[in-house]
Amino acid sequence: NAGVTQTPKFRVLKTGQSMTLLCAQDMNHEYMYWYRQDPGMGLRLIHYSVGEGTTAKGEVPDGYNVSRLKKQNFLLGLESAAPSQTSVYFCASRTGTSGSNEQFFGPGTRLTVL
Amino acid sequence: LAKTTQPISMDSYEGQEVNITCSHNNIATNDYITWYQQFPSQGPRFIIQGYKTKVTNEVASLFIPADRKSSTLSLPRVSLSDTAVYYCLVGDMRANSGGYQKVTFGTGTKLQVIP
Repeated sequence: NAGVTQTPKFRVLKTGQSMTLLCAQDMNHEYMYWYRQDPGMGLRLIHYSVGEGTTAKGEVPDGYNVSRLKKQNFLLGLESAAPSQTSVYFCASRTGTSGSNEQFFGPGTRLTVL
Repeated sequence: LAKTTQPISMDSYEGQEVNITCSHNNIATNDYITWYQQFPSQGPRFIIQGYKTKVTNEVASLFIPADRKSSTLSLPRVSLSDTAVYYCLVGDMRANSGGYQKVTFGTGTKLQVIP
């Protein structure tokens, strides 16, 4: 049982390049989330999904796209990376049971955009 | 959207009890209160969740007064390994609410445990 895994762990991009971050969970969770965390700051929600085939915008969605084609995977895409997207990206998942709000987080992806 | 306010930082000696208070004056009826812990270079980890009164688990206690406008996370006898950032979250956890789309982590409280 690996929990929540993220690929890659580190990445350096040049401005304008694109990339996809992969999040995978093996806990059969309904909800999945993508956050970004800037230095000294809390986490901000980018996009989330309440089930396979569904996605929704969070607090800071601009410049990102997501897809949830399979229940266990949640992909975060950057179509044209900008230096402002330099951050640590965390994926999380949780069960859909009412009243259960424990999120399980991945180890993070550290992204630098030059 | 329930906004939370926490102290930016706290220091404590090893072995002491630490209480971190979070203010959430505009908490809604369906909102739960959740606390997370984050170590450097790691994702946050769930500590405890509550709706009202007192909740206790193996690592912490959560005290919530009757008006629910604040909550206090209590860590008994802290050790050096408890040095971390602690986040208070308030959000609607009903099954069809989508979970954390209306929740923010804020900047948290940085707890430094001193030997």
